[in-house]
Amino acid sequence: GAGVSQTPSNKVTEKGKYVELRCDPISGHTALYWYRQSLGQGPEFLIYFQGTGAADDSGLPNDRFFAVRPEGSVSTLKIQRTERGDSAVYLCASSLLGPNEQFFGPGTRLTVL
Amino acid sequence: QKEVEQNSGPLSVPEGAIASLNCTYSDRVSQSFFWYRQYSGKSPELIMSIYSNGDKEDGRFTAQLNKASQYVSLLIRDSQPSDSATYLCAVNTNAGKSTFGDGTTLTVKP
Repeated sequence: GAGVSQTPSNKVTEKGKYVELRCDPISGHTALYWYRQSLGQGPEFLIYFQGTGAADDSGLPNDRFFAVRPEGSVSTLKIQRTERGDSAVYLCASSLLGPNEQFFGPGTRLTVL
Repeated sequence: QKEVEQNSGPLSVPEGAIASLNCTYSDRVSQSFFWYRQYSGKSPELIMSIYSNGDKEDGRFTAQLNKASQYVSLLIRDSQPSDSATYLCAVNTNAGKSTFGDGTTLTVKP
């Protein structure tokens, strides 16, 4: 079956702009995670959804970051007033039930100029 | 102190040898433990999960967990050049938060 998909694969934007990153999880997976990864580091947890609700958003760095999952499937990570420090690969993962084995999408590489 | 610590490496082993990768974690309520492999420029790929103390074997891979010592390891037997990658240790609490180490880079030399 289809794996986790993420769009766009690459996004270049200017400082101060708004961006949306999309994640389409594996069908039937109730849990969805967002991470960001910088070069040489492991994925940094941002937010975890169980169904439609954010079960843990403790990793969102500040109020410029927001994520939604309105129907319990596709999720969108929204970043307002982007800063150069937001440049990273944003990874999405899904799992069948709760905090379990996660399957990652290919990521979105965000570059803020 | 990072919540999940791994030696960054690089770890270099000859083809056919055993590669040993280690990970320690600080949160005692951690319940589930995972090893992911990440090739350069790619996303992490799950290779092993372990939930209880002891060893778990899957093909050439063995995961070992010691909750008392807050330690989890991954052994790769008969290492192949295709095993050359960064190996990420991940730790989950039941509440859902998932914490990754920064990974150990493994090079298997033919």
